[in-house]
Amino acid sequence: DARVTQTPRHKVTEMGQEVTMRCQPILGHNTVFWYRQTMMQGLELLAYFRNRAPLDDSGMPKDRFSAEMPDATLATLKIQPSEPRDSAVYFCASGSETATEAFFGQGTRLTVV
Amino acid sequence: AQSVTQLGSHVSVSEGALVLLRCNYSSSVPPYLFWYVQYPNQGLQLLLKYTSAATLVKGINGFEAEFKKSETSFHLTKPSAHMSDAAEYFCAVSKNTGGFKTIFGAGTRLFVKA
Repeated sequence: DARVTQTPRHKVTEMGQEVTMRCQPILGHNTVFWYRQTMMQGLELLAYFRNRAPLDDSGMPKDRFSAEMPDATLATLKIQPSEPRDSAVYFCASGSETATEAFFGQGTRLTVV
Repeated sequence: AQSVTQLGSHVSVSEGALVLLRCNYSSSVPPYLFWYVQYPNQGLQLLLKYTSAATLVKGINGFEAEFKKSETSFHLTKPSAHMSDAAEYFCAVSKNTGGFKTIFGAGTRLFVKA
């Protein structure tokens, strides 16, 4: 079943806690994107990886956010410490040089209280 | 640098009327262009894509878009709106294939009135 899988789908946490979001890209895809969606900012590209190496993370607040790909089947986005302004839906997408579009997961809805 | 501008954050049409959602892009190289649709509490789903073949692209659910290089536009149309078309629509640009950085427009929310 070729789809991008994100976990968890929903997360409520208290300010100051660490949050980890996970993404399993489509098997064979070598590029992973992390987007954040809010009402005010729309879809923002936070970071993207190719062949597990970060290519561009200029959209990501470096002081509290980090993104990694421990292996080809797992990408993680961590926020530490989390703040209420981080509340958003975080989408992972994957692609490849042979696929013409990026494929999106269902998103993780994060609420920081 | 690539960018996408969607004109109109909200568009409202009557059921059966023409749908027109506007998108203009800027790109330093021939772009790949996409329209995605997002239903409430869902991820983004590809509607259609332009990849330098035919300039008129047909997608799912009766949507189509025309690539006009002279106008740097890629507007999305559907001849007759259906209630189920109510959703948010995003135009996106990429330098090349799905393995390259994809930038999205701000989105246009389509309302369909009975």
